[in-house]
Amino acid sequence: DVKVTQSSRYLVKRTGEKVFLECVQDMDHENMFWYRQDPGLGLRLIYFSYDVKMKEKGDIPEGYSVSREKKERFSLILESASTNQTSMYLCASRTSGVRVETQYFGPGTRLLVL
Amino acid sequence: GDSVTQMEGPVTLSEEAFLTINCTYTATGYPSLFWYVQYPGEGLQLLLKATKADDKGSNKGFEATYRKETTSFHLEKGSVQVSDSAVYFCALSDNTNAGKSTFGDGTTLTVKP
Repeated sequence: DVKVTQSSRYLVKRTGEKVFLECVQDMDHENMFWYRQDPGLGLRLIYFSYDVKMKEKGDIPEGYSVSREKKERFSLILESASTNQTSMYLCASRTSGVRVETQYFGPGTRLLVL
Repeated sequence: GDSVTQMEGPVTLSEEAFLTINCTYTATGYPSLFWYVQYPGEGLQLLLKATKADDKGSNKGFEATYRKETTSFHLEKGSVQVSDSAVYFCALSDNTNAGKSTFGDGTTLTVKP
C-alpha cells in the first residue's frame, strides 16, 4: 500500500513564526504536491515538485515556499505565518508520466495560526 | 484554465436512497476524471476514475460515466449507507507528466439511518 505521512495532524503557531510541514511518501513517486483545503473552496494547489530539487508554483504560492532535497520528502514552509494561513494542509504524491495515475494523499495537517 | 464545478451541498439522504452528485468540467485537451472521497479526519482517497469518453468508473456501488458531449462526470449510487457519509470531490487531471489535478469544491453527504 502506498503510504503518505505528514509530520503533524494538528499544529498551533503564532503570527510571524516560521512553520515547517513535512511530508514523506514510501512509493518512490516522482511527483509531490501541497494543497490547502478550506470550506467552500475545495483543494487549492500551493506548490508541486516533479523531481528532487525541482519545484513549480501552483495556484496560490504567495506566502509559502517548498523544499525537496530527497525524493521521498517534500516540505512546505510558511516563512512568516499569518492568520489567513489557518487551514488544512494536504500532501499528495503520484508517479510521473502521462498515463493516468491517482494521487495518493496524506491524512492532512490542521494548522491554526493565532 | 481548467475548472471543475460540483453540485453544492450539503446533501442529506436517508439510508437506501438514491444518490446523485453532479459534476461538470472545463478543460483543454482530454483530461482524466476522478472522484475522491474524504472520510472524517482523513485525507482524500480515490473512489473511481475514467480516462476517456464513455468510460464508466465504478467502485463500492458508486458509478460515474465520462460524458464528453456534456462535459460531465456525475456520481451515482443506487442505495446509500450510513457509512457513505463523507465529503466527495470531483477532479480532473491534465494528463501531462506532472499530473496536476483540479478539484471541485467538494460535496458533503450525510446519510441518516
